[in-house]
Amino acid sequence: GAGVSQSPSNKVTEKGKDVELRCDPISGHTALYWYRQSLGQGLEFLIYFQGNSAPDKSGLPSDRFSAERTGGSVSTLTIQRTQQEDSAVYLCASSLGAGAGEAFFGQGTRLTVV
Amino acid sequence: EDQVTQSPEALRLQEGESSSLNCSYTVSGLRGLFWYRQDPGKGPEFLFTLYSAGEEKEKERLKATLTKKESFLHITAPKPEDSATYLCAVLSYAGNQFYFGTGTSLTVIP
Repeated sequence: GAGVSQSPSNKVTEKGKDVELRCDPISGHTALYWYRQSLGQGLEFLIYFQGNSAPDKSGLPSDRFSAERTGGSVSTLTIQRTQQEDSAVYLCASSLGAGAGEAFFGQGTRLTVV
Repeated sequence: EDQVTQSPEALRLQEGESSSLNCSYTVSGLRGLFWYRQDPGKGPEFLFTLYSAGEEKEKERLKATLTKKESFLHITAPKPEDSATYLCAVLSYAGNQFYFGTGTSLTVIP
């Protein structure tokens, strides 16, 4: 596609429910990133995928968070048993490859846990 | 750990009043420094990549420069449509993630 696509754009969920956020990167981009942006905070790294290599999960805040990337393209970020502190904008980005320069971001998914 | 600090946190300018935003960084082997613009409710929009000290990039009213310790985003004769949050990020050879600063919120008053 022309840019990074994320869905849904907004998600309201009840505390304790599971949610899935989807990211469709730019075609041909082998690197994919998930970040989280809370109100007034900087971007917090969550996870990085590069091709078929094992993902860098070092930024995931707890074992309630997981992500997968199927076929080297679409990625899904799953949050289990959501908590109010999970409320944030979840941003996905892709780049041509490891260290290959700039990353391009999607519009984000705004998650609200009530 | 790699670190990025941006200043000021917020900046109000009159239309046409030029100024600079600062991004100081500490990184173990700079692979690249990146500037993004973020409008409310949207994802960051890529502006520039700088790779080595002394490099400069320009786009319309914006010019980015890089030294070994900091980068500046110079805004010449800004217009109200330049109002946004400007983010700086670094990528090092030691890791996979981009480290972001907390941004400078720029408001340009007509």
